Amino acid sequence: NAGVTQTPKFQVLKTGQSMTLQCAQDMNHNSMYWYRQDPGMGLRLIYYSASEGTTDKGEVPNGYNVSRLNKREFSLRLESAAPSQTSVYFCASSGRTNTEAFFGQGTRLTVV
Amino acid sequence: GQQLNQSPQSMFIQEGEDVSMNCTSSSIFNTWLWYKQEPGEGPVLLIALYKAGELTSNGRLTAQFGITRKDSFLNISASIPSDVGIYFCAGQAYRGSTLGRLYFGRGTQLTVWP
Repeated sequence: NAGVTQTPKFQVLKTGQSMTLQCAQDMNHNSMYWYRQDPGMGLRLIYYSASEGTTDKGEVPNGYNVSRLNKREFSLRLESAAPSQTSVYFCASSGRTNTEAFFGQGTRLTVV
Repeated sequence: GQQLNQSPQSMFIQEGEDVSMNCTSSSIFNTWLWYKQEPGEGPVLLIALYKAGELTSNGRLTAQFGITRKDSFLNISASIPSDVGIYFCAGQAYRGSTLGRLYFGRGTQLTVWP
């Protein structure tokens, strides 16, 4: 039962470097999401994809880009990492009714 | 965006005590969800609520969808050490719509002393 799989689990970047966070789900879900979690801030939506081929901005999209590669995969790219992007990133997916999101285990990113 | 106010922010209780936490929103929601997050893990869904007034249990956990549709409550009875974690509420305003994104509260950190 893989569910939602994120890679990598940990990453350290230098300011200005770029990287892509990968996410894949095996539940045949239509919708996928990227959140970031910072202490005391809860989960804030970066981008989401309601279906294959569509993406929309969430609350905190600046500095990020996304690609819905196919129904299974949704990637998050940091083009030029900044220390303010140090956070834990979670990918999630949900089914046709767009409720009951299921989360991956997270990627812990540190930008120095 | 939507604002979800979750309280309390943290709780320190003894094993065996009951726990209550709640979440309120500035807008009407059609769905309320409660998640638990343990250290180093992603949030895991505990209970989903779809109708105003609905009361749903999952073992020692009970959650209610408020009548006003602007609040939800989670109760944990007879707490045990493995209940430790952060509990999040989440709401969705437009169930079934492609714009039906989830809004999250800031979480309640629960600590249980043996």
